[in-house]
Amino acid sequence: DQQVKQNSPSLSVQEGRISILNCDYTNSMFDYFLWYKKYPAEGPTFLISISSIKDKNEDGRFTVFLNKSAKHLSLHIVPSQPGDSAVYFCAASENQGGKLIFGQGTELSVKP
Amino acid sequence: NAGVMQNPRHLVRRRGQEARLRCSPMKGHSHVYWYRQLPEEGLKFMVYLQKENIIDESGMPKERFSAEFPKEGPSILRIQQVVRGDSAAYFCASSLLQAGAFFGQGTRLTVV
Repeated sequence: DQQVKQNSPSLSVQEGRISILNCDYTNSMFDYFLWYKKYPAEGPTFLISISSIKDKNEDGRFTVFLNKSAKHLSLHIVPSQPGDSAVYFCAASENQGGKLIFGQGTELSVKP
Repeated sequence: NAGVMQNPRHLVRRRGQEARLRCSPMKGHSHVYWYRQLPEEGLKFMVYLQKENIIDESGMPKERFSAEFPKEGPSILRIQQVVRGDSAAYFCASSLLQAGAFFGQGTRLTVV
């Protein structure tokens, strides 16, 4: 069973515009959520995280929103830059740690 | 301050051989996780270790796979009698506490 889902395999955005990547989860025990960015042939790079006690966390151009009632989180990138082109994974964990459950990833392409 | 180091980066094994993947966590990190990424899929949790202890191995295949994190030295993921289906990218992550894992560059295993 896929506990964390990223339903959009790909997203294309114009440079300077907003990129919105979405993620849904089914396990109500998840209390910590993370976004990772991954380039081909490299390991995932941590971007931003959010605890379930919050509904928003912001770091520079990156903002993560959490809607617990809908079991939905999103990553907003504003403004989008060509260097943001990569695969983005959302991940979730229980009890603020331990193993991470990953979504399938969304490939973001930012066009100049 | 070196990040998570994995070696080798690429490993080719013939069917039936053994594969040994090594992971040195970030300095001071005592939690190590192994994940596998099959082609066109997201990362799947395999095992979570602390020094000399396996904490959670719920994602490990029941046969041929084992992992250790000795008191001294790197964590080792060992795959015995490899088959073509073991071909994947294997990522190691480490953390100081249980959340916020940082990933290595991965080992790409190809079974021929």
